[in-house]
Amino acid sequence: DQQVKQNSPSLSVQEGRISILNCDYTNSMFDYFLWYKKYPAEGPTFLISISSIKDKNEDGRFTVFLNKSAKHLSLHIVPSQPGDSAVYFCAASVTGSQGNLIFGKGTKLSVKP
Amino acid sequence: EAGVAQSPRYKIIEKRQSVAFWCNPISGHATLYWYQQILGQGPKLLIQFQNNGVVDDSQLPKDRFSAERLKGVDSTLKIQPAKLEDSAVYLCASSLGMLGANVLTFGAGSRLTVL
Repeated sequence: DQQVKQNSPSLSVQEGRISILNCDYTNSMFDYFLWYKKYPAEGPTFLISISSIKDKNEDGRFTVFLNKSAKHLSLHIVPSQPGDSAVYFCAASVTGSQGNLIFGKGTKLSVKP
Repeated sequence: EAGVAQSPRYKIIEKRQSVAFWCNPISGHATLYWYQQILGQGPKLLIQFQNNGVVDDSQLPKDRFSAERLKGVDSTLKIQPAKLEDSAVYLCASSLGMLGANVLTFGAGSRLTVL
């Protein structure tokens, strides 16, 4: 049973517009959420995170929103750039446990010039 | 700071053969993870070490997979004998600890193809 779900395998946006990537989770024990970005032939790199005590965290062009009641989080990229084209993974963990991350299947973002 | 080092980057073997992957984590990182990423899927934890002790190996297929971190630094993941379904990217990651807001740093991965 998938605990972290990314239901959109791919997303295509125009350069300069907003990219919105979505993630849903089922385990109410999750209290720390992360987004990783992965380019081909490279490992995932950490992008941004959010604790369950917050509903928004911003870092430059990247903002993550958390809706705990809906068990939903989203990553907004504004403005989108061609270099943002990559696979984005949503991950979740329980901070009081072993620290292991549970990943979604990923969403492939393509930003067209 | 140097990142997580993994080798080899690519390996092609025939089924029933054996293979070993090596990982050197970021200096000072006590926790080391091995993840398996099958094409089209997200990374899935195989085994987690805290220093040289195993924290979680519940998803490691122990009849064919083994891993060790003898001196609490670098680690080796072995598959013997390999099956076709073991074709995947094997990602090593490390972190300072386990508790709190735990951010994992990943290596570039070792891509295994089993023919």
